[in-house]
Amino acid sequence: ETGVTQSPTHLIKTRGQQVTLRCSSQSGHNTVSWYQQALGQGPQFIFQYYREEENGRGNFPPRFSGLQFPNYSSELNVNALELDDSALYLCASSSKPEETQYFGPGTRLLVL
Amino acid sequence: GQQVMQIPQYQHVQEGEDFTTYCNSSTTLSNIQWYKQRPGGHPVFLIQLVKSGEVKKQKRLTFQFGEAKKNSSLHITATQTTDVGTYFCSRNTGFQKLVFGTGTRLLVSP
Repeated sequence: ETGVTQSPTHLIKTRGQQVTLRCSSQSGHNTVSWYQQALGQGPQFIFQYYREEENGRGNFPPRFSGLQFPNYSSELNVNALELDDSALYLCASSSKPEETQYFGPGTRLLVL
Repeated sequence: GQQVMQIPQYQHVQEGEDFTTYCNSSTTLSNIQWYKQRPGGHPVFLIQLVKSGEVKKQKRLTFQFGEAKKNSSLHITATQTTDVGTYFCSRNTGFQKLVFGTGTRLLVSP
């Protein structure tokens, strides 16, 4: 296993609600990237955090936001949930932004 | 960003048969990475290819990067049921902001 953990494992929300997903990076890793994977598709890059600063963002609206803490763990927040936000949310950590990423088990979010 | 296309989308083989998935880009890639995702699981890093024409092997898996660095392939020799899953290639847009391919789903029957 990679040492990357995510919580919760599963979550059910309703439209309009807000959700916070958490990721603990592998020991020694200071970079965390978040991805959204819809059913049957490849992961899509949301954003990356490096040393507590956002270090790049994919094509996601501002209601997707994040944080990285001094211990390099990270949160993904999604406001005003929509049905299409139902997906597997993956975080991946690396020792530097340019190094190989290792994925956590993901959080499965269902929006009803 | 430009997506990386993979073919086939799906392949069903008998155990012991070979399997190949191809990854194609319209632009030159600085590198390419391959991941495997088991059903219900998360992507697991397999390998990164950087050099033009590079070939790397991991047991029954052979990875190749095209001479023009616009395509790549993953070949599995003598598939086993443990090879079941979706294989993704991904390109790095900079600092590991990965753009994943469309994936090839492999099913292996015993």
